[in-house]
Amino acid sequence: AQKITQTQPGMFVQEKEAVTLDCTYDTSDQSYGLFWYKQPSSGEMIFLIYQGSYDEQNATEGRYSLNFQKARKSANLVISASQLGDSAMYFCAMREGSGGYNKLIFGAGTRLAVHP
Amino acid sequence: DAGITQSPRHKVTETGTPVTLRCHQTENHRYMYWYRQDPGHGLRLIHYSYGVKDTDKGEVSDGYSVSRSKTEDFLLTLESATSSQTSVYFCAISESFDLNKAQYFGPGTRLTVL
Repeated sequence: AQKITQTQPGMFVQEKEAVTLDCTYDTSDQSYGLFWYKQPSSGEMIFLIYQGSYDEQNATEGRYSLNFQKARKSANLVISASQLGDSAMYFCAMREGSGGYNKLIFGAGTRLAVHP
Repeated sequence: DAGITQSPRHKVTETGTPVTLRCHQTENHRYMYWYRQDPGHGLRLIHYSYGVKDTDKGEVSDGYSVSRSKTEDFLLTLESATSSQTSVYFCAISESFDLNKAQYFGPGTRLTVL
């Protein structure tokens, strides 16, 4: 079974608007971490934001916030005030506490296009 | 930005030839990883290292080997390349296994096996 599911292969948003990228996960661990990465067309993987399973508050990093709903096993990325430079692939990833070797499990990604 | 370089950045090779990809870091991080990225699969772990000469397999390790003789270098070898190994390969580093520590990625190597 898929451990990380990103149901939106592609999304588009108007510049300056907010957009939510969905991520659901599956784990039986109580301790885990959730990450979002951005991959622009140039190809590099850029770490954006982290949420721990025991964190009571949603993580925020500048224009990025993570809408963490533990009971629903979802960790959606919210990008506020979209910019043209936000156009990229976005990957949700999870590390499980029982993983032992710091393995990151990635979703298939969502391609975001920001329109002027 | 984390100091991670990968070489070569692009390579085209023929089926059956050996290929070695190099990852070099200047962060002195203990943990290093090799992933491959294929459409529809996100990134998948090939091998990882938790110290000099300490390596182990990831989820898609068949056909690959690794070596780490120095903290800063992690080599990925395809002993006999196949077309199914055409992919983009990413190296990543992490300072610890703590759950809240992100992995930081190199720029990637695009490998084409004809």
